[in-house]
Amino acid sequence: EAGVAQSPRYKIIEKRQSVAFWCNPISGHATLYWYQQILGQGPKLLIQFQNNGVVDDSQLPKDRFSAERLKGVDSTLKIQPAKLEDSAVYLCASSSRPYEQYFGPGTRLTVT
Amino acid sequence: AQSVSQHNHHVILSEAASLELGCNYSYGGTVNLFWYVQYPGQHLQLLLKYFSGDPLVKGIKGFEAEFIKSKFSFNLRKPSVQWSDTAEYFCAVNANQAGTALIFGKGTTLSVSS
Repeated sequence: EAGVAQSPRYKIIEKRQSVAFWCNPISGHATLYWYQQILGQGPKLLIQFQNNGVVDDSQLPKDRFSAERLKGVDSTLKIQPAKLEDSAVYLCASSSRPYEQYFGPGTRLTVT
Repeated sequence: AQSVSQHNHHVILSEAASLELGCNYSYGGTVNLFWYVQYPGQHLQLLLKYFSGDPLVKGIKGFEAEFIKSKFSFNLRKPSVQWSDTAEYFCAVNANQAGTALIFGKGTTLSVSS
């Protein structure tokens, strides 16, 4: 079974630029999560989708972050404009059973 | 609000030493508990999980964890560590409702010297 795919793996941008990350979950997984992991901290949920509907986006900075999951499969997370404090690893995870989540390799974003 | 505390930021052990990593959580309801591991250059992987039943759970690679409800703890243990156990370990919790997101601790870096 293929795992969760993410791209790009690394991205360096200047502050105020925009960036987008892509995630392809495990086939058949209805639930998709985006987490932000700042250096030295554990992952923190940004947004959770069930199929193509948003379940929880309470911690998503909506003035600059947006996410969508068209057709209930792939998802994109966008930051516009980026700030220095957005430097982090962005993790995508998916699940089919209620409590087990499978993580992708992450996208490491550096904002200069 | 739910939170997870991991007591040790960095643990350094020699091979064959015993390991115990502390994890405490704050949540008033029924929870599910997890330990994830991230080996250098790899993505987060599930080490073990507790949903209900026997509070002593066994995971992969000889790891185990004990859920002590009265202490809100879920400590990770391994009797004899190997160099290949060098990794970052994360404790996580979610509410016992289908599909809820995980709340992670800050992680513990384990360095094992051969």
